Amino acid sequence: EAQVTQNPRYLITVTGKKLTVTCSQNMNHEYMSWYRQDPGLGLRQIYYSMNVEVTDKGDVPEGYKVSRKEKRNFPLILESPSPNQTSLYFCASSLGGQLYNEQFFGPGTRLTVL
Amino acid sequence: RKEVEQDPGPFNVPEGATVAFNCTYSNSASQSFFWYRQDCRKEPKLLMSVYSSGNEDGRFTAQLNRASQYISLLIRDSKLSDSATYLCVVEGRGGADGLTFGKGTHLIIQP
Repeated sequence: EAQVTQNPRYLITVTGKKLTVTCSQNMNHEYMSWYRQDPGLGLRQIYYSMNVEVTDKGDVPEGYKVSRKEKRNFPLILESPSPNQTSLYFCASSLGGQLYNEQFFGPGTRLTVL
Repeated sequence: RKEVEQDPGPFNVPEGATVAFNCTYSNSASQSFFWYRQDCRKEPKLLMSVYSSGNEDGRFTAQLNRASQYISLLIRDSKLSDSATYLCVVEGRGGADGLTFGKGTHLIIQP
């Protein structure tokens, strides 16, 4: 089944404790992206990657890191999480390189930072 | 200035009625337009793409007006299962895949 998977789905952590949210897609997509969704603010892009070893900042990159060492994986790293990073996070992927690409989203990771 | 604007609603609509949403966007260079649907606490899923000529998929019709920079979605004969948040999405930064999402319009279909 073609899908985007994220782990963990739910996480409660404390300020300053490094964490990684994994994202993997099995559709051989070139483009991958991370979003956060907050009430009243909608979906905002954190980072994106147009191909292996190519990453770029989205609209809200502060406090996050990403890497794209393999085509299928695009982990999101919070080196020192803070309470303002409490949010619902979505990973997405698409074919890339053309117009009207459908983005496929993972099921989301609900993160709480205490 | 917001890049993609939508009326957040909620729109409370009786089952069987027709409902329409609009969305405006600020980037006149945008090339791709979409409506995504998001159920509560779930991931967004593509509902339909919006082409310059407009397009229809069953009970759903999407229109694009480039001159006025707005996109519309029409739902006919609404069903209870249409209750969701509808996200207007426009190609933004980062080339063809850099999507900008509106905050969504919440639709509630009432029996």
